[in-house]
Amino acid sequence: DTAVSQTPKYLVTQMGNDKSIKCEQNLGHDTMYWYKQDSKKFLKIMFSYNNKELIINETVPNRFSPKSPDKAHLNLHINSLELGDSAVYFCASGTSGQETQYFGPGTRLLVL
Amino acid sequence: QKEVEQDPGPLSVPEGAIVSLNCTYSNSAFQYFMWYRQYSRKGPELLMYTYSSGNKEDGRFTAQVDKSSKYISLFIRDSQPSDSATYLCAMRNFNKFYFGSGTKLNVKP
Repeated sequence: DTAVSQTPKYLVTQMGNDKSIKCEQNLGHDTMYWYKQDSKKFLKIMFSYNNKELIINETVPNRFSPKSPDKAHLNLHINSLELGDSAVYFCASGTSGQETQYFGPGTRLLVL
Repeated sequence: QKEVEQDPGPLSVPEGAIVSLNCTYSNSAFQYFMWYRQYSRKGPELLMYTYSSGNKEDGRFTAQVDKSSKYISLFIRDSQPSDSATYLCAMRNFNKFYFGSGTKLNVKP
């Protein structure tokens, strides 16, 4: 059983389109994250939710909108996709106050 | 200046070698220090974490933290080809995690 799952694994789309990525965790964690990993492998936090409440919102264009319907799910919607949005997006989950995070397999987004 | 700096490598070593991976950081408020391993086209997986200066050992892996120098290291003994991956250091301050850019390691049989 996959602990943190993401769909889709690959996403190829045209500039200007709107797309969503979904994340689910079955570990009973109360905190979920979205990270962006660029081509140089630099992993940068975008958002974090704790018990469905947004607690971290980094300097991310407002074209990116996270939504957490419940503690086990965190989705990411991206409007008006741009070439620079091409990256691997990782979802992660953990327990507030603990050091460990568990990452999903990533969603590889390519904007043409 | 990034808050966490890590040499991207690549680092190529023969099987059985001792590997040393390092990161420096600038924020003295970081409380916890972690090492992640990321295989190609996979998500990062946690290897080790520590919150104090000193050494922590787990099998062939030793994590070392020097808070006075703002420097952390990961040592891998008796390296194996299966250790070939990108190693990311990470640090935590309250709810936020800051990652290094990763060092790519290749262990040659």
